[in-house]
Amino acid sequence: EDQVTQSPEALRLQEGESSSLNCSYTVSGLRGLFWYRQDPGKGPEFLFTLYSAGEEKEKERLKATLTKKESFLHITAPKPEDSATYLCAVVADRGSTLGRLYFGRGTQLTVWP
Amino acid sequence: DARVTQTPRHKVTEMGQEVTMRCQPILGHNTVFWYRQTMMQGLELLAYFRNRAPLDDSGMPKDRFSAEMPDATLATLKIQPSEPRDSAVYFCASGLAMENRPRLDYGYTFGSGTRLTVV
Repeated sequence: EDQVTQSPEALRLQEGESSSLNCSYTVSGLRGLFWYRQDPGKGPEFLFTLYSAGEEKEKERLKATLTKKESFLHITAPKPEDSATYLCAVVADRGSTLGRLYFGRGTQLTVWP
Repeated sequence: DARVTQTPRHKVTEMGQEVTMRCQPILGHNTVFWYRQTMMQGLELLAYFRNRAPLDDSGMPKDRFSAEMPDATLATLKIQPSEPRDSAVYFCASGLAMENRPRLDYGYTFGSGTRLTVV
């Protein structure tokens, strides 16, 4: 069964304190891995798509990396406005025309001043 | 700024009543998903459409839930009869598939959700 596991469930950082969030996955035929950010009362907001091991993408203070079994979201010198829940999701079904997106439970990040 | 529009934003209803949630996908997107989010289960995929045709609704309780796309600009999710355990936030997301394959570069765009409370 395809699974996506995120850790930790919650993370509290002081402003400027860098850290990483983890997403491990077991899927048959990874087509792509997404990172999303979700603020309270809102829908998930797309951040990155990663396709293959070794790939990296950056956006402001965020950098996402991918290996064959997991992905990391590195947050460098976070600010309070980075506080949100970060969701990892995978699209499996390589070779098919489907594109179902399966989510992990997320990491709730709090950055305090 | 293209967005997915969901209505209503909030719905409180009594057990046994019919609930209809609506979604307007981004113009030009041909793939629509319905998800349900709860604290216990996180985001669960309920149904998935491409070019208005259902591709997968295996995550949806068939006895009370139904999902349709009457046209390319409207997706609906109905619950009849509603039960307290259906209380959750329901999200619609849309994306683009070309040559029948999903385009993943920009992810799927989510709406703001419908918060459903069944009492």
